[in-house]
Amino acid sequence: DADVTQTPRNRITKTGKRIMLECSQTKGHDRMYWYRQDPGLGLRLIYYSFDVKDINKGEISDGYSVSRQAQAKFSLSLESAIPNQTALYFCATSDSALAGIYEQFFGPGTRLTVL
Amino acid sequence: GQNIDQPTEMTATEGAIVQINCTYQTSGFNGLFWYQQHAGEAPTFLSYNVLDGLEEKGRFSSFLSRSKGYSYLLLKELQMKDSASYLCAVRDQDNQGGKLIFGQGTELSVKP
Repeated sequence: DADVTQTPRNRITKTGKRIMLECSQTKGHDRMYWYRQDPGLGLRLIYYSFDVKDINKGEISDGYSVSRQAQAKFSLSLESAIPNQTALYFCATSDSALAGIYEQFFGPGTRLTVL
Repeated sequence: GQNIDQPTEMTATEGAIVQINCTYQTSGFNGLFWYQQHAGEAPTFLSYNVLDGLEEKGRFSSFLSRSKGYSYLLLKELQMKDSASYLCAVRDQDNQGGKLIFGQGTELSVKP
């Protein structure tokens, strides 16, 4: 079973709709992240959370919100989707208990298309 | 500001050696990562450097010079499956050590 899962894997929606992308992990990690990836722009951080009560904005948080419902779950919402939010979205986790590297582990991604 | 530069594309021949460069200018530095990403898939961790020098792991090696803001990923004995995007990422000087800043990635094509 995958350690970091994302649902849905693919989603097509219309402008103005509310969309929620979900991320779950069984790794027991405390830190979770949401990124979007666009061709030529690499991965850009949207929001991150270092524990259940902690939510922080990344470099491109406008138009997005998040919820950390439990240590294992981190959801990303688009309140009113717009076409330039069409992208590949990745969730990632890392573990602060492991001293040193804090490597991030990525989910399989959600491909979102906003028409 | 934060800036990480990598070549957009590279092409190499099966069996050869290729070096992918990464230069960075960030407000702080607390380690540099290389990730591999096949098309449509999740990035996977390749290497980590926090001190100057070379880290070797099988066919892959990564080098860091903090004074020059420079790293490279060296891939030896290239195989067709090495065709992928290679992402350089810097962890900036953050209290809790978690945030990464990614370059745009280098798309490597390995030809027969």
